Amino acid sequence: EAAVTQSPRNKVTVTGGNVTLSCRQTNSHNYMYWYRQDTGHGLRLIHYSYGAGNLQIGDVPDGYKATRTTQEDFFLLLELASPSQTSLYFCASGRIANSDYTFGSGTRLLVI
Amino acid sequence: QQQVRQSPQSLTVWEGETAILNCSYEDSTFDYFPWYRLFPGESPALLIAIRPVSNKKEDGRFTIFFNKREKKLSLHITDSQPGDSATYFCAAVGTGSKLSFGKGAKLTVSP
Repeated sequence: EAAVTQSPRNKVTVTGGNVTLSCRQTNSHNYMYWYRQDTGHGLRLIHYSYGAGNLQIGDVPDGYKATRTTQEDFFLLLELASPSQTSLYFCASGRIANSDYTFGSGTRLLVI
Repeated sequence: QQQVRQSPQSLTVWEGETAILNCSYEDSTFDYFPWYRLFPGESPALLIAIRPVSNKKEDGRFTIFFNKREKKLSLHITDSQPGDSATYFCAAVGTGSKLSFGKGAKLTVSP
């Protein structure tokens, strides 16, 4: 069974701080996604990728960078964190288009 | 803009009743529609999914009805149980495998 592991589980940072959220999947899925979940907004796509070195812009990319270093690893970078980025972040992976997608356990980020 | 819309935002039903959650979309290139369920503190989990070649998909108490012409679909949960209380997300996969979600619908099943 595909596993998606996110780290850290919880993170607190100050406004203007630099944060990196990590995601690793262990089943050779080619697609990986980063979402933020906020009450009233559902799951909003930040960035996604279909392979190492590839990056696609999602629906709410402002303030976020992402990098897919390997097939397994997808990182979300907040270089100047703001309180508006306080959220629950989910990473997901999928094998091919239109297949089942597996989600990680989430990272709860608080920007104070 | 929201490409996948859900209604209602919240719904309360009695145990044993059928809950109906609605979804609509704009993009005609969407070709896969999964529904996810999210319990507090957990990860979104796939519940059931449908492709536009079908107009109905059943899995136990969960059924998707799909109307391609009107770009609408709905999730029916029959014999609702208190354990079904959760947030349900309609999603769609389009060009380039972009997986987009609606805002979610909070379902409460009262015993």
